[in-house]
Amino acid sequence: GAGVSQSPSNKVTEKGKDVELRCDPISGHTALYWYRQSLGQGLEFLIYFQGNSAPDKSGLPSDRFSAERTGGSVSTLTIQRTQQEDSAVYLCASSSRRDGTTGNSPLHFGNGTRLTVT
Amino acid sequence: GNSVTQMEGPVTLSEEAFLTINCTYTATGYPSLFWYVQYPGEGLQLLLKATKADDKGSNKGFEATYRKETTSFHLEKGSVQVSDSAVYFCALSDRGNFNKFYFGSGTKLNVKP
Repeated sequence: GAGVSQSPSNKVTEKGKDVELRCDPISGHTALYWYRQSLGQGLEFLIYFQGNSAPDKSGLPSDRFSAERTGGSVSTLTIQRTQQEDSAVYLCASSSRRDGTTGNSPLHFGNGTRLTVT
Repeated sequence: GNSVTQMEGPVTLSEEAFLTINCTYTATGYPSLFWYVQYPGEGLQLLLKATKADDKGSNKGFEATYRKETTSFHLEKGSVQVSDSAVYFCALSDRGNFNKFYFGSGTKLNVKP
């Protein structure tokens, strides 16, 4: 079946511009994550959506970053007034979870959006 | 709180050598544990998982055992191949916090022919 889809796959933008990154999770997955991975680095958690619960925004690095998840499906990560240090690969992941599960649902990752701020 | 600590890389091995990548965790509840792999130029994919103490996850010749007493989930492979060169991430899922995932910093493995 279809996996997690992210678009665009590559984005080059000028410093100061706003960008929107899109994630289409696997159908029926209730949990959705955004991570950032800088060159040669690990995964930096950004934000987590789980069903109808309030999102966990504890990883967003500044108020220039925001994310929405409409209708419990598609998510958009918006970066306003981009800076060069925002250059990274932005990864989206989703997993299924229903109440009463044992918590063994793995995360399924998209291929990421490579953002370059010039 | 919850966290995952992995050994720092890069790890460089010759083909057919034995591999261990250490992973320890702290958790407030009863986590599920995972290893993810990221091959060069590709996205992260699940390698193996274990959901309770003493479970052993295995896949592609890799194994990891969920050790509650030592809070560890070390990744092992008896004989590595050049194609195993990748970055490996240890992760936990916190069932007490809506299954939120926590990742280690990743360990890069280089296997030389």
